[in-house]
Amino acid sequence: SQQGEEDPQALSIQEGENATMNCSYKTSINNLQWYRQNSGRGLVHLILIRSNEREKHSGRLRVTLDTSKKSSSLLITASRAADTASYFCATDQGAQKLVFGQGTRLTINP
Amino acid sequence: DSGVTQTPKHLITATGQRVTLRCSPRSGDLSVYWYQQSLDQGLQFLIQYYNGEERAKGNILERFSAQQFPDLHSELNLSSLELGDSALYFCASTQGPTTEAFFGQGTRLTVV
Repeated sequence: SQQGEEDPQALSIQEGENATMNCSYKTSINNLQWYRQNSGRGLVHLILIRSNEREKHSGRLRVTLDTSKKSSSLLITASRAADTASYFCATDQGAQKLVFGQGTRLTINP
Repeated sequence: DSGVTQTPKHLITATGQRVTLRCSPRSGDLSVYWYQQSLDQGLQFLIQYYNGEERAKGNILERFSAQQFPDLHSELNLSSLELGDSALYFCASTQGPTTEAFFGQGTRLTVV
């Protein structure tokens, strides 16, 4: 079964708005990662947050991690058309597997 | 460019056939993962190798097998292909077991 589950499955916003995606997982983790996938292409790593971290920033990306709730969120600020993609969270499960959720499909409308 | 190379990029084959997908990991990466992505779906974890040894297995069918060679490249063998095996197959490599993963561009397999 999938470890991470993203929510919502699809999100459509206007350019310039902020986009928030959530990820929930089931077991304890060492770290949680977020990836982006443009249609039909390979995934690109965005950010990794360790289990002892609560928040991390990278450019317009902000990731939070709440291990007590087993959840994470990815915030993209000031969205651009180029941000249109699917976003996936991935967790390690502590068992050397890197397991991905079903993804959130983000559409930025000009 | 992620540094991970997958070949071939596209593959069209008939049901019942066998194919081999190849992955060359990023230089220095010891761990290789294989994933299957059906149309507009998430990534299904298939199998992971670390320095030539199988480390973790996901929902990989018995018709599928993989191996990692001494030069660290990996091959995924798919046999007795069915229409439902049509998907994108991705390989990813990492330095350690669960550090940042670098993905290849995938092999698009179409079974007809």
